[in-house]
Amino acid sequence: KAGVTQTPRYLIKTRGQQVTLSCSPISGHRSVSWYQQTPGQGLQFLFEYFSETQRNKGNFPGRFSGRQFSNSRSEMNVSTLELGDSALYLCASSSPSGKLYEQYFGPGTRLTVT
Amino acid sequence: GESVGLHLPTLSVQEGDNSIINCAYSNSASDYFIWYKQESGKGPQFIIDIRSNMDKRQGQRVTVLLNKTVKHLSLQIAATQPGDSAVYFCAENMEGYSTLTFGKGTMLLVSP
Repeated sequence: KAGVTQTPRYLIKTRGQQVTLSCSPISGHRSVSWYQQTPGQGLQFLFEYFSETQRNKGNFPGRFSGRQFSNSRSEMNVSTLELGDSALYLCASSSPSGKLYEQYFGPGTRLTVT
Repeated sequence: GESVGLHLPTLSVQEGDNSIINCAYSNSASDYFIWYKQESGKGPQFIIDIRSNMDKRQGQRVTVLLNKTVKHLSLQIAATQPGDSAVYFCAENMEGYSTLTFGKGTMLLVSP
């Protein structure tokens, strides 16, 4: 079974631009979560989608948004990029029949904002 | 690979030693505590979990200890191998949710 895939792997944007990141979960997984990873703040939860609905949301500004499609693929969008948005963005999926906290992570998208 | 350990505490051990990685958690209401391993260039990978009503759980070469009195979690790795070199994160979870609250992480370096 293929793992979680994320595209693109690397991205460079300038302040004020917007960006869309994509995540394809493991086949059969319907829950997709997004995390931001930085050296200073570590891994922080952004949001979770299940069956095309946002089920949980972390403490991030409204510039961060996401969505999920009927095939469980998910995208996250960051508008009006700031330098502090530079981070590794990780997507994770979990199985409906397994432990909810047993997340399968993708390799991440490294976003650099200049 | 991805650099995630710039500000992390580091534990350096020799191959064959036992390693103990510690974590202080924040929410006494958490139902599950989990350890994840992140190798360079990869996302975190689930290692082992423990429910809040337990104080010890063993896996293959790994043992997790939970001390709820002082909100402390530890991961013991027996006979550490170079392939164990990675950043280790503890995480908390509330039952019924998939959301994980991660600790800051510890980098484990294993020398041959």
